[in-house]
Amino acid sequence: QKEVEQNSGPLSVPEGAIASLNCTYSDRGSQSFFWYRQYSGKSPELIMFIYSNGDKEDGRFTAQLNKASQYVSLLIRDSQPSDSATYLCAVTGTASKLTFGTGTRLQVTL
Amino acid sequence: KAGVTQTPRYLIKTRGQQVTLSCSPISGHRSVSWYQQTPGQGLQFLFEYFSETQRNKGNFPGRFSGRQFSNSRSEMNVSTLELGDSALYLCASRLVTGGEKLFFGSGTQLSVL
Repeated sequence: QKEVEQNSGPLSVPEGAIASLNCTYSDRGSQSFFWYRQYSGKSPELIMFIYSNGDKEDGRFTAQLNKASQYVSLLIRDSQPSDSATYLCAVTGTASKLTFGTGTRLQVTL
Repeated sequence: KAGVTQTPRYLIKTRGQQVTLSCSPISGHRSVSWYQQTPGQGLQFLFEYFSETQRNKGNFPGRFSGRQFSNSRSEMNVSTLELGDSALYLCASRLVTGGEKLFFGSGTQLSVL
């Protein structure tokens, strides 16, 4: 079992729709959870982080964390073509090492 | 505030050579991590340094090594290069090890011929 798992996609959503990206992790002691966005040919950029169970909203982005089920998700409301990118889920485990999933490619269509 | 700076941006080497990559973290950040990114494997953790000490290490062979200097700048070395070492090498910094946010540099694209 991979430490951090994501569906590779591509996830295709129409412009204006909600994109839902999911991530599961194996280390029950994980404390910190991050979402990075990576455009093709660019380095990852941090867009959301969450430490506690529940939801955290920032503009069009909402991160959701459920530690009991060991999953974290990212919702993007009113998706725009500029949101088309690969989204990487990252988790800090008990050894303080940040582990990344392989990413989900999101395509927002016109 | 300047971001994470990596040099060089591109590098072409041949098999058997060695290479050294450099990373300057964000001012005040004491932790530097290195990642290898390839299309098939995604972001693979190489190692993390904090206060000149290696704190974590990924599952890479001993040909991959690193170090951190007293000013928090870090270097990564790969000896006896193989074709499979062709990848984007990303450096990232954060204030300390742990749950703090990680910020990435632009990366060094290494091609091994």
